[in-house]
Amino acid sequence: DTEVTQTPKHLVMGMTNKKSLKCEQHMGHRAMYWYKQKAKKPPELMFVYSYEKLSINESVPSRFSPECPNSSLLNLHLHALQPEDSALYLCASSRSGTNNVGSEAFFGQGTRLTVV
Amino acid sequence: AQSVSQHNHHVILSEAASLELGCNYSYGGTVNLFWYVQYPGQHLQLLLKYFSGDPLVKGIKGFEAEFIKSKFSFNLRKPSVQWSDTAEYFCAVNARGGNMLTFGGGTRLMVKP
Repeated sequence: DTEVTQTPKHLVMGMTNKKSLKCEQHMGHRAMYWYKQKAKKPPELMFVYSYEKLSINESVPSRFSPECPNSSLLNLHLHALQPEDSALYLCASSRSGTNNVGSEAFFGQGTRLTVV
Repeated sequence: AQSVSQHNHHVILSEAASLELGCNYSYGGTVNLFWYVQYPGQHLQLLLKYFSGDPLVKGIKGFEAEFIKSKFSFNLRKPSVQWSDTAEYFCAVNARGGNMLTFGGGTRLMVKP
């Protein structure tokens, strides 16, 4: 099983709503990532969890709040978003890079988020 | 911090033409290098990767890439493209032992039948 599963696939939310994006992998990977991808742009790293601990936060606004409940799950909690936050949110996982020579990241299909 | 440059933003080819997409990275240490492809409406898929060893790596669907350390480059090649290769191609790098995967700006390839 080499899948990263993200739910929901599409989400429309108002600026006052609270919603969560979910990501799951069962490959035994210990690094999990959130990326944001705007149309016709490359993915931009938001957060990295390594061994369930937040290891990288790329200066993301606090209206995005990540959570890693266990080694298979990664959530992104959304609150008071702005229309410019509309984008494709990608989850990825890899064997932890901290001790390995190298490991590729496997990506989910993404959640297409629209903030109205 | 690492960075990645892809010089070709849009490439249009006819079927059977040869392809070469440029990728250069900037980082002072040892890196892992990747090419990902994103077909329209689909998720990012790994085409190929370089960790160490033979600098010429072969990936899926007939793609290959060559790591030239002296030039900090990792160009993607395919001898004969097909219409189904129409997609966006991303070069990516992470520092050896690190988790921060950084993408280049992407190259949008259109193959005319």
